[in-house]
Amino acid sequence: DQQVKQNSPSLSVQEGRISILNCDYTNSMFDYFLWYKKYPAEGPTFLISISSIKDKNEDGRFTVFLNKSAKHLSLHIVPSQPGDSAVYFCAGSTNAGKSTFGDGTTLTVKP
Amino acid sequence: DAGVIQSPRHEVTEMGQEVTLRCKPISGHDYLFWYRQTMMRGLELLIYFNNNVPIDDSGMPEDRFSAKMPNASFSTLKIQPSEPRDSAVYFCASSPTTGAWAEETQYFGPGTRLLVL
Repeated sequence: DQQVKQNSPSLSVQEGRISILNCDYTNSMFDYFLWYKKYPAEGPTFLISISSIKDKNEDGRFTVFLNKSAKHLSLHIVPSQPGDSAVYFCAGSTNAGKSTFGDGTTLTVKP
Repeated sequence: DAGVIQSPRHEVTEMGQEVTLRCKPISGHDYLFWYRQTMMRGLELLIYFNNNVPIDDSGMPEDRFSAKMPNASFSTLKIQPSEPRDSAVYFCASSPTTGAWAEETQYFGPGTRLLVL
C-alpha cells in the first residue's frame, strides 16, 4: 500500500508561470506533510511543511495547500524559475517517528 | 556544520561481496534514518534509530541487510551478500529531537550510489 502518491512523474512549465505539484495520501494518521526538493547527485533538502490542522502555509514563492477531506495536498511555486528545476518529493510524517515519501515529480522550468 | 556525511559516494562491487555504507549524522541530532531510492520503489525508509537504538527496521528488505549505530556520530548499513537488485542510491538522514517530532525536517546526506554487478 503506497500511502503517499505523486501521480505525475514529470511537469514542465515556462519561467514566470505557476508550477503546481500534487500529492495524494491514504494515511489519516499523518500529523505533518513536508515537501523536499532534490537536485541530481544530492540528497533531498527540506522545502516547506504544513501541519494537518492547517489548510495553507506560505513561504515566499512556495505555498502548500492541504485538503484533508480529499486527502490531497499541492505545492504551488509562483513565479517559477529555472533554478526550481528538480525532483520534488511529498512526504507524510507522524509523531510515531516515520516519514513516508512519494515517488517524486520532476519539475522542469523552461527559460 | 558539514551536514550529513556519507561514504563512499560511489561503490561498484560484484554479486556476493559484502558492502558497507557509512554515515556521520549532524552533531546533536538524535534520529538517524537509512533510505534507499530506486526507480521502481522510489524513496523507501529502511530503518531508523533514536539515540543509537534501532526503533523500526520493518523496511529492511531481508536478512542480508543489517544496520548498526555504535555511537551518536556513526552508523553503518551492511549488505552481505550483495545482489544486483540491491543497486540503488542509499541515503542517510538525521533529525533533531523536538516535542513535535512530526514537524522536524530530516537532513539528508548526498547518498551512496551502489552498483552490484
